[in-house]
Amino acid sequence: EAQVTQNPRYLITVTGKKLTVTCSQNMNHEYMSWYRQDPGLGLRQIYYSMNVEVTDKGDVPEGYKVSRKEKRNFPLILESPSPNQTSLYFCASSPQAGGLYEQYFGPGTRLTVT
Amino acid sequence: AQKVTQAQTEISVVEKEDVTLDCVYETRDTTYYLFWYKQPPSGELVFLIRRNSFDEQNEISGRYSWNFQKSTSSFNFTITASQVVDSAVYFCALSRYNQGGKLIFGQGTELSVKP
Repeated sequence: EAQVTQNPRYLITVTGKKLTVTCSQNMNHEYMSWYRQDPGLGLRQIYYSMNVEVTDKGDVPEGYKVSRKEKRNFPLILESPSPNQTSLYFCASSPQAGGLYEQYFGPGTRLTVT
Repeated sequence: AQKVTQAQTEISVVEKEDVTLDCVYETRDTTYYLFWYKQPPSGELVFLIRRNSFDEQNEISGRYSWNFQKSTSSFNFTITASQVVDSAVYFCALSRYNQGGKLIFGQGTELSVKP
């Protein structure tokens, strides 16, 4: 089944404790991206990757890191999480960048930082 | 700047009513793409439709239909004979042709369909 998977789905952590949210897709997509969803602010892009080894900042990259060593994986790293990073996170992928293709979203990761 | 506005924050209807969700966008690009996504209570984002800026043909898919009008920069979504399972948050989004694949989302419209 074609899908984007994220792990963990739910995470409660404490300020400053490094964490990684994994994202994997099995559709051989070139483009991958991370969004966060917050009440009143909607969905905003954090980082994106056009292809392997090429990543760039989205609209809200502060406090996050990413890497794209393999085509299928695009982990989101929070080196020192803070309460303002409490949010619902979505990973997405599409065959290529640009709007020619729909983006497939993962199921979401609900992160709470206390 | 690019922007998507969904002025209706919440809509409540009774089952079998028709309902239209409004989406107005702003862009100076001539080539762009518009999308609708559905977010049911379970939280995932489900793709509904993609439309490019050169295709103003309306689309119907079962009970769903979309009306794209470049003259008013609108891409409205109508559900005919709504059902309880249509209850969700619906997002309209804009993507630019040459700016990576970023989706610029509207704030979403929460639709509640009551039996």
